[in-house]
Amino acid sequence: DTEVTQTPKHLVMGMTNKKSLKCEQHMGHRAMYWYKQKAKKPPELMFVYSYEKLSINESVPSRFSPECPNSSLLNLHLHALQPEDSALYLCASSQDSGLREWRGDTQYFGPGTRLTVL
Amino acid sequence: DAKTTQPNSMESNEEEPVHLPCNHSTISGTDYIHWYRQLPSQGPEYVIHGLTSNVNNRMASLAIAEDRKSSTLILHRATLRDAAVYYCILRGGSGNTPLVFGKGTRLSVIA
Repeated sequence: DTEVTQTPKHLVMGMTNKKSLKCEQHMGHRAMYWYKQKAKKPPELMFVYSYEKLSINESVPSRFSPECPNSSLLNLHLHALQPEDSALYLCASSQDSGLREWRGDTQYFGPGTRLTVL
Repeated sequence: DAKTTQPNSMESNEEEPVHLPCNHSTISGTDYIHWYRQLPSQGPEYVIHGLTSNVNNRMASLAIAEDRKSSTLILHRATLRDAAVYYCILRGGSGNTPLVFGKGTRLSVIA
């Protein structure tokens, strides 16, 4: 099973709402990622988790709050978003082998959650 | 991060080979060359990667220049399903090093 699943597929929320995006993988990967992609632009990294610990936060505003409750799950909690946060949110995972075993690990992406903030 | 340069767009006829170029003149000795593609309304998907030698898999071939300053992704017979944005990405470090996407090449395939 080489699948990364993301729910929901689409989400519409108001600026005062609180919602969460969910990502799941069962490939035994220990690195998980959130990317944001605006229309006609490449994906941009938001967060990286390695062994359930946050290792990279690309200066993302605090209205985005990631959580990695276990090695298979990654959540992105959303609160007080702005209309400009409307985008496709992509989750990805990879093996996270150590430097000694580095073989150019590939990343597997989910289909994304299309978020619209009104 | 070392940068890559790709043409903004390319066009191909169906069932013909496609050569997608990528320049990466500042590549370091430990950087792998990765190619991903993103079909319309989908997340990116892995295509192929290599370090120094040419690589083949069921999807494509990767030809790497001897000095590693450029590479070419080769789709042997383009189909309509290959219409996508193709990203050439350099990746070093370890298994949790994220991908840094450039603008990519938008490939159109004409029936």
